[in-house]
Amino acid sequence: DIQMTQSPASLSASLEEIVTITCKASQGIDDYLSWYQQKPGKSPQLLIYDATSLADGVPSRFSGSRSGTQFSLKISRPQVDDSGIYYCLQSCSTPNTFGAGTKLELK
Amino acid sequence: EVQLVESGGGLVQPGRSMKLSCAASGFTFSDYYMAWVRQAPKKGLEWVASISYEGSSTYYGDSVKGRFTISRDNAKSTLYLQMNSLRSEDTATYYCARDNYVMDAWGQGASVTVSS
Repeated sequence: DIQMTQSPASLSASLEEIVTITCKASQGIDDYLSWYQQKPGKSPQLLIYDATSLADGVPSRFSGSRSGTQFSLKISRPQVDDSGIYYCLQSCSTPNTFGAGTKLELK
Repeated sequence: EVQLVESGGGLVQPGRSMKLSCAASGFTFSDYYMAWVRQAPKKGLEWVASISYEGSSTYYGDSVKGRFTISRDNAKSTLYLQMNSLRSEDTATYYCARDNYVMDAWGQGASVTVSS
């Protein structure tokens, strides 16, 4: 099974910062990597697919990148509404596996 | 508008069975793989199972293989998850998701509690 190591587990950032969350795959997954945001009591929402493509309706301050088996989600000048938990998902091979999640708090 | 609405959750005793349903609308159901993803209380997301367009191929996570069965009825645009031999560790919110190699649409979730 492919393991997804996500970091950090939590972070607190100001509205002026650039926030970066990373996921490292235990083996190659091409670009079969997506990112999700989940707010308390809500279902996850797709942000990024194919490692770098922005999902419909997602603000352009969100972006994704890839370097080998390491993937990053960047939030430029985050808004208070961006608080929540972020997950990566690899769908290159079953079992599909999620990262453990990153809890983002904006201050 | 894409909509996925789960139903069938609740409280069930260990060892018993439960069947979840997910009614889909707003898209051509048979054009997509579908999946179930669960989330235990205060925990992360766990992929449970996926099913191909016509249901001929199914895929399961190791923790549910042999106990859970995913199926679909394209005429009714409905996805199912039959859960047998339930354990306390199956307690979770179960989400139905459209599986397009990404989970690009999610239901609101159905809560399943396994307890005596």
